[in-house]
Amino acid sequence: QSALTQPASVSGSPGQSITISCTGTSSDIGGYNYVSWYQQHPGKAPKLMIYAVSNRPSGVSNRFSGSKSGNTASLTISGLQAEDEADYYCSSYTSSSTPYVFGTGTKVTVL
Amino acid sequence: QVQLQESGPGLVKPSETLSLTCTVSGGSVSSSSYYWSWIRQPPGEGLEWIGYIYYSGSTNYNPSLKSRVTISVDTSKNQFSLRLSSVTAADTAVYYCARFLRGSYTFDYWGQGTLVTVSS
Repeated sequence: QSALTQPASVSGSPGQSITISCTGTSSDIGGYNYVSWYQQHPGKAPKLMIYAVSNRPSGVSNRFSGSKSGNTASLTISGLQAEDEADYYCSSYTSSSTPYVFGTGTKVTVL
Repeated sequence: QVQLQESGPGLVKPSETLSLTCTVSGGSVSSSSYYWSWIRQPPGEGLEWIGYIYYSGSTNYNPSLKSRVTISVDTSKNQFSLRLSSVTAADTAVYYCARFLRGSYTFDYWGQGTLVTVSS
C-alpha cells in the first residue's frame, strides 16, 4: 500500500487561508469517509486535528476544517497563525493489505 | 484525560529484538471501543503504521513488518507491548504508541514517542 500523496510544503502569511491536499485512490480516500489529519510540531507527537473527513475533536480550533472530493481530501487552515507552522499528515482507512495508511506529510510555513 | 507513555531501551544492537511497552492511564486497554497501536517515524521521515491489538488479543500488522512484529496486551497492568525482531539500522525511528478509535478509524491519543537507535 503506497502512502497518500501530499505536497511537500505549503506556505502563507498570517491571517491568510491555506489548503493542503491529500490524494489517494478509490480503495482508501475515495471509498470511505475515514480521513484524518494530524498536526506535528518539531520533536512532538502528532495531534489529531480532523477525523472522519470533517469532524473536529474537542479543543481543536474551528480555523481547521476538512473536506473530501473523489479521491482527494483537503485540510484548510483559515486565519493562519504562527503557531500553525508544523508538519501535517493525512491518513485514511484502506481496503488494501494494510488497513491504515498515512500521507507523505506537508510542511506548513507561516511567512 | 487519557495518557500513554512509551518505555524501553533507546539503543538496540543489529539483529537483536526491539522491545517497547506502552502504559495507559486515564483509560482502560480493556475497552471495546479501541485498538491499541504502534506507529513509527524514522528521523526526518513520515509516519508508518506498525500494527494494533484489541483487548481480546486479536492483532493486525503492517504486511511489510508482519514477519518480525509481535504486539501483546496485559490488561492487568493496563499496558501493551511491541517486539520487533532482527532489527537493522532501517528500524531506527521514534516509536509512538497510540489509541485507535474503532468507529472513526483515527488515532485520538498518542504517547510522546521514544527514539530507538539500532547500532552496534
